Amino acid sequence: GENVEQHPSTLSVQEGDSAVIKCTYSDSASNYFPWYKQELGKRPQLIIDIRSNVGEKKDQRIAVTLNKTAKHFSLHITETQPEDSAVYFCAASPREYGNKLVFGAGTILRVKS
Amino acid sequence: SQTIHQWPATLVQPVGSPLSLECTVEGTSNPNLYWYRQAAGRGLQLLFYSVGIGQISSEVPQNLSASRPQDRQFILSSKKLLLSDSGFYLCAWSAGAQPQHFGDGTRLSIL
Repeated sequence: GENVEQHPSTLSVQEGDSAVIKCTYSDSASNYFPWYKQELGKRPQLIIDIRSNVGEKKDQRIAVTLNKTAKHFSLHITETQPEDSAVYFCAASPREYGNKLVFGAGTILRVKS
Repeated sequence: SQTIHQWPATLVQPVGSPLSLECTVEGTSNPNLYWYRQAAGRGLQLLFYSVGIGQISSEVPQNLSASRPQDRQFILSSKKLLLSDSGFYLCAWSAGAQPQHFGDGTRLSIL
C-alpha cells in the first residue's frame, strides 16, 4: 500500500523567510496530492492540492511542486507570517479524489516574529 | 454549499462505557465518508470509510465500529471504551472530483 513520509517534523523560520516541507510517496499509482493546515485544536483545512498531470501549482504565497519520477512533492510558503504557524500535513491518493488519503506524519511550523 | 456537522465537540467518558459519535453532511448526495483518529501531537489515522449506505470498510483492527444508516449520516460507535480510545476524532467527506473536507472534530477523553 501507499506510504507517505514527511520532513521535517518541526520547522522554525523567521517571519518573512520561506518555508519548505517535503514529502515522498511509495505508490507510483498515486495521482492526487493535497496539503492540509491544522491549527491547534482545529480541524485540518485544505490549503492547496495538485494532480499528477501538473508539475507545479501556486496560490498567492503558497506553492506545491511535484516530481513524479522521484515520487516526491513539496510545499513552499513564501514571506511567512505568524499566522502561518500550524501543523501541515501532506497526503497522497492512489486514485483521483474522493478516495482514501494516506497522510504524512505532519510538520509543526513555527514562524517567529 | 456543502457543510459537515459533527457532534459532540467534547466528550468525557469512563472506561467500559459505550460511545456514539455522529456526523452528517448537507448539500451533497452520495458522499464518500471517513472517520479519522488523531492522537495528541500525532498524524491522522484513517479508521473507516464508506462509499454508500451500509458500505463500511475498516482500515485498522480496533475497539470501534462504524455505520451509515442514511446517505449523509455516519456514526462511530463502541460498546466498551478503552483508555487507548482517547483522541481527537474527525469525520470527513468527499464527493465526485472534490477533495476531502473535515468536520470540527470530537475531543474524546477516557477516564
